[in-house]
Amino acid sequence: GAVVSQHPSRVICKSGTSVKIECRSLDFQATTMFWYRQFPKQSLMLMATSNEGSKATYEQGVEKDKFLINHASLTLSTLTVTSAHPEDSSFYICSAREGDRGGYGYTFGSGTRLTVV
Amino acid sequence: QKEVEQDPGPLSVPEGAIVSLNCTYSNSAFQYFMWYRQYSRKGPELLMYTYSSGNKEDGRFTAQVDKSSKYISLFIRDSQPSDSATYLCACTGGGNKLTFGTGTQLKVEL
Repeated sequence: GAVVSQHPSRVICKSGTSVKIECRSLDFQATTMFWYRQFPKQSLMLMATSNEGSKATYEQGVEKDKFLINHASLTLSTLTVTSAHPEDSSFYICSAREGDRGGYGYTFGSGTRLTVV
Repeated sequence: QKEVEQDPGPLSVPEGAIVSLNCTYSNSAFQYFMWYRQYSRKGPELLMYTYSSGNKEDGRFTAQVDKSSKYISLFIRDSQPSDSATYLCACTGGGNKLTFGTGTQLKVEL
């Protein structure tokens, strides 16, 4: 089946630094990739949607200058948290989708636990 | 009001019990309904996928959708300790965006 690899799985960084998270589709070409944020015991909140070669579409309330998304190829998307602060500490999950098949075809990465100290 | 409502639990059941998990939604445009299972500190994995109203069965899992009442359910038969996880319902109208419920934390005890 489809596999999405997300790295790193855990990262601790100092306040004010930037952190990059990678999301790769290993055995399919992802026309669309999604980035979610999940707080403890809460649902996945969509942050942004990206299509290969075009700018990401951010959800309302998500700072595009703080959460930089690059979807450079059909198999790779990156999320960079710039000038991270403790309130950015969260679980970040990417998802990749091949084509457009109704509600089907979303594959999730294993997530990245970001802790900003 | 959230578009998808789900009781967060936690729900604790003995091994072998039948588990019923539910969500309600408010957006009439939703056509596709999914259940995902998420283990701690992992990404969600798709369990069941249903289009429009009806039932779908896969092994010990049964998904039901009632569009008239905007109610979706997941039943787990003969629950096992390995079923302990958070179960998320998700809905979409067919576009790119999935709308998730908050997730129900399930614990199956020996």
